[in-house]
Amino acid sequence: GIQVEQSPPDLILQEGANSTLRCNFSDSVNNLQWFHQNPWGQLINLFYIPSGTKQNGRLSATTVATERYSLLYISSSQTTDSGVYFCAVGTHNYGQNFVFGPGTRLSVLP
Amino acid sequence: DAGVIQSPRHEVTEMGQEVTLRCKPISGHNSLFWYRQTMMRGLELLIYFNNNVPIDDSGMPEDRFSAKMPNASFSTLKIQPSEPRDSAVYFCASSLHYSNQPQHFGDGTRLSIL
Repeated sequence: GIQVEQSPPDLILQEGANSTLRCNFSDSVNNLQWFHQNPWGQLINLFYIPSGTKQNGRLSATTVATERYSLLYISSSQTTDSGVYFCAVGTHNYGQNFVFGPGTRLSVLP
Repeated sequence: DAGVIQSPRHEVTEMGQEVTLRCKPISGHNSLFWYRQTMMRGLELLIYFNNNVPIDDSGMPEDRFSAKMPNASFSTLKIQPSEPRDSAVYFCASSLHYSNQPQHFGDGTRLSIL
């Protein structure tokens, strides 16, 4: 199945700083999503982005499918951005090939 | 609009007992997914349905696990008999289509098997 790597595994920021999270995957995909798991355990869908660039407020994401990576940008970080960010990818053969990465744990300090 | 609704939020039971987790997807969504999250293995897709039909259950760990979707607004995940290693957070998610639409997650069921 597809392998998904995320970097960095952990990130600590001061409020107001910017950050870039990376997701690498080992095969071609037709489905890529970014999620935020908040400290209460809720999983929130941030982006469905199999290719191209999208923006939503302070967050934006870019997927370069041909080079098998995606980036999540967080600008002007806030304490409420803390939590774990997951990248998940899938292929036309969905099943076990829809795989979550291990996540990046972000802590934003006041 | 109501999101994905899971019940119960917490379940504590003794090993050997049957456990039933419930999920109500977002109205109008055609696909439903069951996931399990543990510290050791992260988030794993167990099974997913499209139009109430199971499409792929290759992620279901053992025959002790079963899932059904009798109608578009309800799904269950059963574990019988339960074992301590089944302790995890179980999430349900739904989407308009399983391959090319964003998934929206419920708040999860935290299951502890003693």
